Amino acid sequence: QPVLTQPPSTSGTPGQSVTISCSGSSSNIANNNVYWYQQLPGTAPKVLIYRNNQRPSGVPDRFSGSKSGTSASLAIRGLRSEDEADYYCASWDDSLSGLVFGTGTKVSVL
Amino acid sequence: QVPLQESGPGLVKPSQTLSLTCTVSGGFSRRGGYYWSWVRQLPGKGLEWIGYIYYGGNIRYNPSLQSRVTIAIDASKSQFSLRLSSATAADTAVYYCVRDSGGPLLGKGMDVWGQGTTVTVSS
Repeated sequence: QPVLTQPPSTSGTPGQSVTISCSGSSSNIANNNVYWYQQLPGTAPKVLIYRNNQRPSGVPDRFSGSKSGTSASLAIRGLRSEDEADYYCASWDDSLSGLVFGTGTKVSVL
Repeated sequence: QVPLQESGPGLVKPSQTLSLTCTVSGGFSRRGGYYWSWVRQLPGKGLEWIGYIYYGGNIRYNPSLQSRVTIAIDASKSQFSLRLSSATAADTAVYYCVRDSGGPLLGKGMDVWGQGTTVTVSS
């Protein structure tokens, strides 16, 4: 049973907006920060969002994160072909005393 | 210079110990606040956190791997290592060494990743 659940896939056309959900519980998302990672094909992941809604320098403001209760979301505004990648949420889980990653969402740009 | 570089055998026999080393360009600093981590990705699957070591002694492991995992730092060589004992085919994965700036609770995320190294467990 995955601890953090994401939709397997989502898609959009260039310029559209997509949102990826990350569903957790009181032992992780509700009480801890959420992080989002982007993994382009054949490459190592890269941090997109830290502490729920903060962007590292260099990450376009088309990417935004939010959190409410036991769920978090990553929004991509103005979808571009280079956004085609796998996206993972992550959060500390107090019950497991460990970091857990979401199941991952593949974003396709049609 | 590559910030983080994994090295180690690409093939491990079942029941043996999987051992990897990560060389850190620039070495370690007690003031860095960095958590040196290992993450793996099983073939065609998602990411799995293995554990971290903080330069100062704090170590945490994934509970599902805890009985088999050891992460250590060798500051004199600017390296940290992963040892996973009693390897099975289920440990076949791409292994990444990662720098987590500030830790997984309050930090700025895993901001530096190695390129990853594929380890296959097979006889």
